Amino acid sequence: EAGVAQSPRYKIIEKRQSVAFWCNPISGHATLYWYQQILGQGPKLLIQFQNNGVVDDSQLPKDRFSAERLKGVDSTLKIQPAKLEDSAVYLCASSSLQARNTIYFGEGSWLTVV
Amino acid sequence: KQEVTQIPAALSVPEGENLVLNCSFTDSAIYNLQWFRQDPGKGLTSLLLIQSSQREQTSGRLNASLDKSSGRSTLYIAASQPGDSATYLCAVGGAGNMLTFGGGTRLMVKP
Repeated sequence: EAGVAQSPRYKIIEKRQSVAFWCNPISGHATLYWYQQILGQGPKLLIQFQNNGVVDDSQLPKDRFSAERLKGVDSTLKIQPAKLEDSAVYLCASSSLQARNTIYFGEGSWLTVV
Repeated sequence: KQEVTQIPAALSVPEGENLVLNCSFTDSAIYNLQWFRQDPGKGLTSLLLIQSSQREQTSGRLNASLDKSSGRSTLYIAASQPGDSATYLCAVGGAGNMLTFGGGTRLMVKP
């Protein structure tokens, strides 16, 4: 079974530039999560989708972050414009409706804003 | 708002030691608690999941306990090995399967 795929793995951009990260969850998983993990901290949930609907985006900085999951499969997280404090690993995860508590994480997309 | 704290932040032990990692949370109204392992440059791998009605779970050399009323969980690692070196994260599950993570404990097991 293929895992959660994320790209790009690494990205360096200047502040005020934009960046987009892509995630393809495990096939059949209805729920998709984006987490932000700043170095030395635990992951923080940014947004949770169930199919193509948003379940929770209360911690998503909506003035600069956006995310979509148009067809209920893969998802894109965008940051525009980026700030220095956005430097972090962006982790995508997915779970099935039948086994909600079993969450599979991708390896993350590492962002450095300079 | 749920807050999760892990102590210690870092731990270095010689191989073969038994060790305990601690996790505390502020809101006892939880659905479950999970322990994850994170290797450098990698994603998270779930180690143990304890439902709110359970007191502990075991997998091999790992044992996790949950005391909901006191807002505490511990992860016990028996006979530690260098391959156990990683960051261990505690995550509390709330409504809608929302996970709130602690800051993690970075474990180094020296040969």
